[in-house]
Amino acid sequence: DIQMTQSPSSVSASVGDRVTITCQASQDIKQKLNWYQQQPGKAPKLLIYDVVKVGAGVPARFSGSGSGTDFSLAISGLQPEDFATYYCQQYDNLPLTFGPGTRLEIK
Amino acid sequence: QVQLQESGPGLVKPSQTLSLTCTVSGGSINSASYYWTWIRQPAGKALEWIGRINNSGTTFYNPSLRSRVSFSIDTSKNQFSLRLTSVTAADTAMYYCARENNYLVTLDNWGQGTLITVSS
Repeated sequence: DIQMTQSPSSVSASVGDRVTITCQASQDIKQKLNWYQQQPGKAPKLLIYDVVKVGAGVPARFSGSGSGTDFSLAISGLQPEDFATYYCQQYDNLPLTFGPGTRLEIK
Repeated sequence: QVQLQESGPGLVKPSQTLSLTCTVSGGSINSASYYWTWIRQPAGKALEWIGRINNSGTTFYNPSLRSRVSFSIDTSKNQFSLRLTSVTAADTAMYYCARENNYLVTLDNWGQGTLITVSS
């Protein structure tokens, strides 16, 4: 299985800040990476797919980048509804695997 | 707007078999464009992909659960199901069903989840 790691595991920020979360795959996953946002008590929601493409209805303050094994999710101008947990997920190989998550908390 | 809804027993005793059903509304499950997947999440932990099934009944299971899990699909009822045998406390989790777009390989639509507790 492809192992996914994320850093940091948690981060505190304020409304209006810019935050970057990183994700690393245990091998080259050829741009096959998605990001999901999970609000407390809710199901995950697709944010970014194919590394850089923003999902339907997702605000433009979310952006993705990276290649090979190293990827990042950036959120600019944090809004109150952005405080959630973020997961990366690879789909280069089955089984699909997720990172351990990054919890974004309000400072 | 496609919606997915899980249903299950809530509580299962150790060594028993867990059965869950996902009902899809607002769209047909009998589409070659999608896989229908199960994902679970223990409290406070990460997401684990259990596997997928397509409208023809072709499955792929996570090797970590392959010996205990099976999926089925009923296109006449617009439902797909999970069966997990010999459950233990380690199987306690929120279980989600989701739709996987098989072109973009995105989990683009999720159920709200159903909490399954394994306890005697």
